[in-house]
Amino acid sequence: GDSVTQMEGPVTLSEEACLTINCTYTATGYPSLFWYVQYPGEGLQLLLKATKADDKGSNKGFEATYRKETTSFHLEKGSVQVSDSAVYFCALNSGGSNYKLTFGKGTLLTVNP
Amino acid sequence: GAGVSQSPSNKVTEKGKDVELRCDPISGHTALYWYRQSLGQGLEFLIYFQGNSAPDKSGLPSDRFSAERTGGSVSTLTIQRTQQEDSAVYLCASSFDLAGGYEQYFGPGTRLTVT
Repeated sequence: GDSVTQMEGPVTLSEEACLTINCTYTATGYPSLFWYVQYPGEGLQLLLKATKADDKGSNKGFEATYRKETTSFHLEKGSVQVSDSAVYFCALNSGGSNYKLTFGKGTLLTVNP
Repeated sequence: GAGVSQSPSNKVTEKGKDVELRCDPISGHTALYWYRQSLGQGLEFLIYFQGNSAPDKSGLPSDRFSAERTGGSVSTLTIQRTQQEDSAVYLCASSFDLAGGYEQYFGPGTRLTVT
């Protein structure tokens, strides 16, 4: 079945540091890949997505590239801010008759000033 | 416009009682999804609706869980004879259509505590 593995953290960084959160997946077919973010006290929000191999999703300075050869979708940001502190979830939808999102366990990021 | 809304935001119930959780999707969204977020299991998919139909109920944890959707809009998740292991945040999401590339918009969740 479908599965997503992401580094569980927690990850603690200083402001302006570089961020990478690793995400790898197992899926049938050609999945769409997503990063969702959950800020403290708020609901899940889509951060970025990629729907086919080699696509790069980007938003708010975050980027992730759909790598089919390594089945990966790592989240990166060159310079994090305190306001980026949140839980980040990697997810996939394998499409076809499977409509659910399969999530990784989430990575707690704390950015200190 | 209005996002996905859920009610109640918090629910504390005694073991053995029934609870109903409500979800109001974004207007015009045909697909609706229920997920559960718990410390031990992370985010688990429960069920989805296309219109009022739920073709696959296999994600529901037990036969104490049921869900319905009426008028292609509001959905209710019902848990009968609640158990302590049902304690979790129940999330509802909706999307314009079922196709995998469409974004699922999530509500704020209902935090259920079974005592």
